[in-house]
Amino acid sequence: GAVVSQHPSRVICKSGTSVKIECRSLDFQATTMFWYRQFPKQSLMLMATSNEGSKATYEQGVEKDKFLINHASLTLSTLTVTSAHPEDSSFYICSARVLAGSSYNEQFFGPGTRLTVL
Amino acid sequence: AQSVTQLDSQVPVFEEAPVELRCNYSSSVSVYLFWYVQYPNQGLQLLLKYLSGSTLVESINGFEAEFNKSQTSFHLRKPSVHISDTAEYFCAVSPGRRGAQKLVFGQGTRLTINP
Repeated sequence: GAVVSQHPSRVICKSGTSVKIECRSLDFQATTMFWYRQFPKQSLMLMATSNEGSKATYEQGVEKDKFLINHASLTLSTLTVTSAHPEDSSFYICSARVLAGSSYNEQFFGPGTRLTVL
Repeated sequence: AQSVTQLDSQVPVFEEAPVELRCNYSSSVSVYLFWYVQYPNQGLQLLLKYLSGSTLVESINGFEAEFNKSQTSFHLRKPSVHISDTAEYFCAVSPGRRGAQKLVFGQGTRLTINP
């Protein structure tokens, strides 16, 4: 159980276009989803926290107008990279937090989306 | 705020040899600690976690980690590694309280197993 999928797994786009990445929790409901960015050979950096039905909370230095996040349901969050540029090329990973009553709610990670902007 | 330091960016070892991947953290509050593994072009998989209780935690594939509060460490160990253990390993920390959400990751350690 606790499977998170991302679509697409890989995308190549031209500079100036927008790209949408989907993150789905397949077998559980997730009130919170997280979006991370990972540069080559580096760690994951949290970009934003997405709560179902409310606006996302962005980390310092992340442009909210460039990285649009929508969390319309308990199983789907989308990240749209608007007017993408080559420096936006990266590996984007989402995670979903299980809705549970325990003191700790584990995050389950998606397989990632590799974005290449030409 | 929390921070995590993984001192070794790369660790090469021979198959069946023991390995230790080091992780130190900094926090002004109690923490939960995690080790994640990432295989090439994949997302992260939770390897093991420390929430409370016994300071020694184990995974199903032979890894173990020990929470050392005085040394603020959570080193990962395996007594005998296999080729399939080749991957990137990330140590992470979050505030140790109910509802805590944010994970802060270390820089990662690339474990390479040589035959």
